[in-house]
Amino acid sequence: DGGITQSPKYLFRKEGQNVTLSCEQNLNHDAMYWYRQDPGQGLRLIYYSQIVNDFQKGDIAEGYSVSREKKESFPLTVTSAQKNPTAFYLCASSSGQGTGELFFGEGSRLTVL
Amino acid sequence: AQKITQTQPGMFVQEKEAVTLDCTYDTSDPSYGLFWYKQPSSGEMIFLIYQGSYDQQNATEGRYSLNFQKARKSANLVISASQLGDSAMYFCAMRPPFGNEKLTFGTGTRLTIIP
Repeated sequence: DGGITQSPKYLFRKEGQNVTLSCEQNLNHDAMYWYRQDPGQGLRLIYYSQIVNDFQKGDIAEGYSVSREKKESFPLTVTSAQKNPTAFYLCASSSGQGTGELFFGEGSRLTVL
Repeated sequence: AQKITQTQPGMFVQEKEAVTLDCTYDTSDPSYGLFWYKQPSSGEMIFLIYQGSYDQQNATEGRYSLNFQKARKSANLVISASQLGDSAMYFCAMRPPFGNEKLTFGTGTRLTIIP
């Protein structure tokens, strides 16, 4: 089945540690996105990539980093510089055709202890 | 800049009744797309329905329909004959002109269906 796989589903980290969230898609989509979700604030765009080896900052990129070395993969690193990293993180992809609909993974919940 | 406003943080609806979830938007682009997504407690985002700014007719998908009023900049979601499984968070989102699929999301409405 085609889709987006995020791992891990739940992650705990201590303050001061970097952590990397994985996002893999087999939909052959060019564009991939990372969103952050906090209670009462909806989804906010962290980073996006429209093609391999290229990515752009979203609205809340500070304290995060990404890479796009392969079409299928778009990992997100939450660095120690991110002041409030506890959140639900959603990865998405789109084909760039049709309606421009985003297809989402099941999310990763990060808790900083 | 684009903005989506959902003014209903939570709603309670009796099973089998119809429900309308409000969404207003703001954009200066003549071309845009509007989406509704459902997020159950599991966390995944499920695409429900899409409306293009130039579409003449309101979009429908099964029990979901989108009441698109362009002059008022509103794109309300209507769910007919609600079911217990409709209990979830619902998000309205907007896409800028094609070539850029960065969606802007509203803050969501938590819908609870009462048996």
